[in-house]
Amino acid sequence: DGGITQSPKYLFRKEGQNVTLSCEQNLNHDAMYWYRQDPGQGLRLIYYSQIVNDFQKGDIAEGYSVSREKKESFPLTVTSAQKNPTAFYLCASSPVAQITDTQYFGPGTRLTVL
Amino acid sequence: AQSVTQLDSQVPVFEEAPVELRCNYSSSVSVYLFWYVQYPNQGLQLLLKYLSGSTLVKGINGFEAEFNKSQTSFHLRKPSVHISDTAEYFCAVGLQGAQKLVFGQGTRLTINP
Repeated sequence: DGGITQSPKYLFRKEGQNVTLSCEQNLNHDAMYWYRQDPGQGLRLIYYSQIVNDFQKGDIAEGYSVSREKKESFPLTVTSAQKNPTAFYLCASSPVAQITDTQYFGPGTRLTVL
Repeated sequence: AQSVTQLDSQVPVFEEAPVELRCNYSSSVSVYLFWYVQYPNQGLQLLLKYLSGSTLVKGINGFEAEFNKSQTSFHLRKPSVHISDTAEYFCAVGLQGAQKLVFGQGTRLTINP
């Protein structure tokens, strides 16, 4: 069964702690994306990766970091420098990094900072 | 810079009634247009997309959208909605040559029996 998995579904973090969100895909897609979703603001792009060992900042990259060591994995670390990290985080992938490609989304991780 | 505006944050309709969700964009270059749907507590799923050709695009679950270049709009329509259509709908725009989409704020569609 091909798709994108994100774990965990819910995540709680204390202020000052870094936390890593997992994203795995078995669709053999080259491109992967991380979005943040806040109520009434739609989706905002954090980072994206067109190919293994390469990634670019999106519109709101400050306080986040990523790695792309394997084609199927694109983990996102929310660092203590992110001022307001409580949000719903969505990972997506597409066959290649073309604007016309359909993006396939995972089920999301809801992060709450206590 | 491109932007996307979804004019209604919430749209309540009765079951079997028609619905239109509005989306306007601003761009000085050619665009590609998308509608995605998000069911409760899930990720997004593509409903339909306009890349070129016919301005009327048909998607999944009986939805369709029409690209109107002069009005810079891409409104989503369904002639008769079901309870299962309850979800949040996102319009997205991509510029030719760009590598990322810009999403609208979303419209929450609520179907009342």
